[in-house]
Parts: sequence; C-alpha cells; structure tokens
Amino acid sequence: GAGVSQTPSNKVTEKGKYVELRCDPISGHTALYWYRQSLGQGPEFLIYFQGTGAADDSGLPNDRFFAVRPEGSVSTLKIQRTERGDSAVYLCASSLMGTGSNEQFFGPGTRLTVL
Amino acid sequence: SQQGEEDPQALSIQEGENATMNCSYKTSINNLQWYRQNSGRGLVHLILIRSNEREKHSGRLRVTLDTSKKSSSLLITASRAADTASYFCATPAGGGSYIPTFGRGTSLIVHP
Repeated sequence: GAGVSQTPSNKVTEKGKYVELRCDPISGHTALYWYRQSLGQGPEFLIYFQGTGAADDSGLPNDRFFAVRPEGSVSTLKIQRTERGDSAVYLCASSLMGTGSNEQFFGPGTRLTVL
Repeated sequence: SQQGEEDPQALSIQEGENATMNCSYKTSINNLQWYRQNSGRGLVHLILIRSNEREKHSGRLRVTLDTSKKSSSLLITASRAADTASYFCATPAGGGSYIPTFGRGTSLIVHP
C-alpha cells in the first residue's frame, strides 16, 4: 500500500496559537519518528515511538512540544504557544522495527509557518 | 546531536560526470545509511551499509565504508539532471541509541 502520509501539507498559524500535525505511518510499522528540518539543515530528531509508547523524546526542544500515538499507528505532534522559531518542515518517518538497521520511510512533511 | 557530517556542502557537475560525496562520523556505528531529498520535502532511502561491509552497489550508486577512518562515501556514476537533490548520511545516534541522526547534507546540482 500507501507510504507515509502527513497532514496538512502546509500550515500557517499565528504566534501563540496551538497546532497539531498528523502522521499516518505505513501499516505494520512499529517504529515512528518525528524530525524537524530547517532550511539548509538536515533533519533534526524530535521523538521516537515504539508501538504506543514514546521510547525516546530527548529531541523535543521544550515542553511546548508533545506527541502521541495512542493506538500504535497514527501519531500527532502537538505544539502549544507556537513561536516564530518553530517554523520548519516537520517530517515523520516509520520503519518496520526500531533497531536502527531498518530503512526509514519518510512522509512528504508538513511545512509549518508561524507568523 | 549530529553524528555524521557530509562533505562537500555543495557540488555542481555536468551531466555524465561522476559525483562523490563523503560522510564522516564520530562514534562507532553498526550501520550507515544514505538518503536523497528533493525540494526540501520527504527523504528517500538509497542504501544501507553495515559495519562489516566495505562496499555496496545499487544501480549507479556505490557506497564505501571505512570504519577505521569513521567515514563513508557515496559515488553516483554517469550523473543525470534528475540526480539533482540533497544527499544525507544517517548514522545511529550512539550511546546505546539506534535512532538515525542526519548531517547537513550535500547539495548536488547536475547541469544538463
């Protein structure tokens, strides 16, 4: 089937607002990753889920960022009180397992612009 | 924290020429992956090379890994305009973490 999908593809919001970004991984993939990418930079790790639990959230920049994956498939990245510095492309990836030796499949990303 | 760093940051060549990109990393790894990204959106996996492998091929791509020098190279032979993209290496974060971490990438432009 389908690859990793992310919605919305673009999101423009005002400073201080709350946003949710959604990721639909490939069916059957237990590992899910969120990355953030700024212009001219590589993807920066945010959080990693193995099943329903956040196995590693060490990349979340602060407590305004939160992510869930309640049923072990779809994940939502939530950003509270957005700041202009949050503007970036948010990438989601999934892999069959989270051992690091599996290929990651990336979604097209959500471009977030905070005005 | 970033593990791998690609070199050069930018590369401009003519169609038909070969393109070589390098990746250096800091700590021991069990594998290294190369990805391609078009237009700043989703990344596409190209190749994974394990620490016990020295060279791997996939079509016009050749990847080498030198664990003693903590470096890898990606060679694209007979390049095409469609190869224009950013190329990233990804290595496990280290410290017991298997999470792939990315460098800043090499921006390749292939002129027709």
